[in-house]
Amino acid sequence: EPEVTQTPSHQVTQMGQEVILRCVPISNHLYFYWYRQILGQKVEFLVSFYNNEISEKSEIFDDQFSVERPDGSNFTLKIRSTKLEDSAMYFCASSDRQAYGYTFGSGTRLTVV
Amino acid sequence: KNEVEQSPQNLTAQEGEFITINCSYSVGISALHWLQQHPGGGIVSLFMLSSGKKKHGRLIATINIQEKHSSLHITASHPRDSAVYICAVRSSGGGADGLTFGKGTHLIIQP
Repeated sequence: EPEVTQTPSHQVTQMGQEVILRCVPISNHLYFYWYRQILGQKVEFLVSFYNNEISEKSEIFDDQFSVERPDGSNFTLKIRSTKLEDSAMYFCASSDRQAYGYTFGSGTRLTVV
Repeated sequence: KNEVEQSPQNLTAQEGEFITINCSYSVGISALHWLQQHPGGGIVSLFMLSSGKKKHGRLIATINIQEKHSSLHITASHPRDSAVYICAVRSSGGGADGLTFGKGTHLIIQP
């Protein structure tokens, strides 16, 4: 069964450093998403991406965050200057045109120290 | 903004019991997802519903659009069903809309 692949599975970074989280969505999917889950809290929407541009973003997705689909297969989330409160599990997801096939990656656990 | 409420928050049951998890939301939606999250953190999509009922193995999901309510049922529960079950909704709109999640129901099935 097709999978959404995320790398790395765990990243530790120092406060103020830039991090890039990587995702390979399912190849024939059209919509791409990033979500985050702070430990013990519910999953929160960050951003959706369609047709090579951001479709929707939440209030969490401020100027410190950016997304890119650099080569037609990878989908990346960049955090420019990490803060302690960015520590969370970050999930990538992709869906087909009608969002019937909605698939999550296994997540990247980001720890900011 | 859609508010998604799940009940119960925690549920412990004996193996073999019939399990029901409820989800209600505040604003009209185009789709509702039931998801499963295991202790390792990964999220698996169980169902996507826009109306009626779906069944997959021992899992059944129903939705009542008029009442803004959905239920997830597990028949003949088994310890391997122990996980967090999450309801998430997509507001009326296209596939680009992000999902709004409930807090999840932590289910433990004891042997």
